Amino acid sequence: QKEVEQDPGPLSVPEGAIVSLNCTYSNSAFQYFMWYRQYSRKGPELLMYTYSSGNKEDGRFTAQVDKSSKYISLFIRDSQPSDSATYLCAMSGDNTGKLIFGQGTTLQVKP
Amino acid sequence: NAGVTQTPKFQVLKTGQSMTLQCAQDMNHNSMYWYRQDPGMGLRLIYYSASEGTTDKGEVPNGYNVSRLNKREFSLRLESAAPSQTSVYFCATSTSGRAIEQFFGPGTRLTVL
Repeated sequence: QKEVEQDPGPLSVPEGAIVSLNCTYSNSAFQYFMWYRQYSRKGPELLMYTYSSGNKEDGRFTAQVDKSSKYISLFIRDSQPSDSATYLCAMSGDNTGKLIFGQGTTLQVKP
Repeated sequence: NAGVTQTPKFQVLKTGQSMTLQCAQDMNHNSMYWYRQDPGMGLRLIYYSASEGTTDKGEVPNGYNVSRLNKREFSLRLESAAPSQTSVYFCATSTSGRAIEQFFGPGTRLTVL
């Protein structure tokens, strides 16, 4: 079993929809929870991160962490075609840079 | 500022051939990383270098070697390529104090026949 599980999709939604992306994990030592976005044939880029539990909001994006359930989510409000990309969750037990990534979920937002 | 650059962009090798993937950064970051990305597997860390002069194994180091040539450059070598090493390889960098925020290069697409 992988340490981090993520449904690969693809997920297709109409423009303006609320999108929910999720990951589950098994390692209770994880403290840092990240979401990276990767456009086709590009390298990933950090979208946002959360330390320990709780919510974090940045514009149309909200990240949630539920450590009791070992479950993290990324919500995208008012989704746009430019949000079409692969979203990768990543986790780490410390700040050493040894990240464990999920498989990535491919999102398509249709105009 | 070029950020993180990788060469080559594409490469086709035959089984048993060797090659070196190059990564360079102008971000003045201390830490550098090599990942591979395979369908259904996500990104997996091969090797990383927390600072110039140090390297450590990641999740999937077998079949690879690395060299941290200086602060700017971190190379990944395949001594005897195998079809299982067909993948997209990404180099990334970060500052020491904020290693969870990694900046990725554009990737090298490698096919081993």
